[in-house]
Amino acid sequence: EIVLTQSPNTMAASPGEKVTITCRASSSVSYMYWYQQMSDASPKLWIYDTSKLASGVPDRFSGSGSGTSYSLTINTMEAEDAATYYCQQCCSTLTFGSGTKLEIK
Amino acid sequence: EVLLQQSGAELVRPGSSVKISCKASGYTFTDYYMHWVKQRPEQGLVWIGRINPANGNTVYAEKFKSKATLTADKSSNTAYMQLSSLTSEDTATYFCTRPGRFAYWGQGTLVTVSS
Repeated sequence: EIVLTQSPNTMAASPGEKVTITCRASSSVSYMYWYQQMSDASPKLWIYDTSKLASGVPDRFSGSGSGTSYSLTINTMEAEDAATYYCQQCCSTLTFGSGTKLEIK
Repeated sequence: EVLLQQSGAELVRPGSSVKISCKASGYTFTDYYMHWVKQRPEQGLVWIGRINPANGNTVYAEKFKSKATLTADKSSNTAYMQLSSLTSEDTATYFCTRPGRFAYWGQGTLVTVSS
């Protein structure tokens, strides 16, 4: 069973600041997915196939990585980006990271 | 448009069972596995298991093998999850999801276990 370790657990960023969230897998995976979840809402697919933005996702977001190390980056933080982000290994079974709560300063 | 419409919130007694539903529309129901995910209040996402609606085959996460039972009705394009022997640890929002490159999620069903 693959375990996904996300860091940090929580963070706060100022508008315009660059943000990076990391996700490490316990063994190599081919792709990583990322989800954004707002309070009391369903998770939304944000990045798929490691680096492809889901429909409607602003291009200040990017994803990268390979093997056991992946990351989600926000080039310039905006208030609307405050949310919890989860990495996910997909799709025969699903594994989620523990989540990163991102707040705006 | 793909939609996953889940049943409403449930308040149930400890020790009882509950069955929640997820009605799919906008795609061929039998072409995709349906997965279920648990989220306790202020906690992360935990995978419960999946069902192949075409033949009813299921795979469960180890910790849910005696807790959850997944079924699917091809005639109504609806997936179901029954949770048994409920305790306060089962109080959570449960989501159905069709994951992948074009992922879809239900709106979630809040199950509250309380006497």
